[in-house]
Amino acid sequence: GAVVSQHPSWVICKSGTSVKIECRSLDFQATTMFWYRQFPKQSLMLMATSNEGSKATYEQGVEKDKFLINHASLTLSTLTVTSAHPEDSSFYICSASDWAANYGYTFGSGTRLTVV
Amino acid sequence: SQQGEEDPQALSIQEGENATMNCSYKTSINNLQWYRQNSGRGLVHLILIRSNEREKHSGRLRVTLDTSKKSSSLLITASRAADTASYFCATARGGAAGNKLTFGGGTRVLVKP
Repeated sequence: GAVVSQHPSWVICKSGTSVKIECRSLDFQATTMFWYRQFPKQSLMLMATSNEGSKATYEQGVEKDKFLINHASLTLSTLTVTSAHPEDSSFYICSASDWAANYGYTFGSGTRLTVV
Repeated sequence: SQQGEEDPQALSIQEGENATMNCSYKTSINNLQWYRQNSGRGLVHLILIRSNEREKHSGRLRVTLDTSKKSSSLLITASRAADTASYFCATARGGAAGNKLTFGGGTRVLVKP
């Protein structure tokens, strides 16, 4: 089945630094990947849609300059949280779809970001 | 914004009992999906039901969809302690919205041994 690998699984960083999270589709090509944010005991909120070879599409209220998304290849999308602040601490999850194989959406295992 | 609302928000049952949770949504959909999330982990796809389907089964899972009421239900039969997790419904609209999913608030299920 389709596998999406997300790395790192957790990261602690200092305020003002930037953190990069990687999302890879291991056994299929994903022209579109999605990035979500999840606060404790809450649901997933879509942040942006990552499109291979073009600019990401951000949801309303999500700062483009704060959350940089790069989808340079059909198997890799990255989310960079720039100048991180404690309020950016959250659980970030990516997903990709392999509709060609009818696998629907596959999610990465998530990244726990803590900004201190 | 979250399209789906889930009910109940939390559910505690004994092992062997059935667990039922409901999801309501607001706009037209192409399909509705249910996912499971163990604490601090990613989501696992459970089942997808298309807008022209009314019921679907997968092992101990049974999903219904009522497009006239814009609602869906997930039934887990003969629950096990390992079913303890949060369950989310998600809708896909397609069209201009693309294939992006909109998630409900989730139901936290605790199955006591």
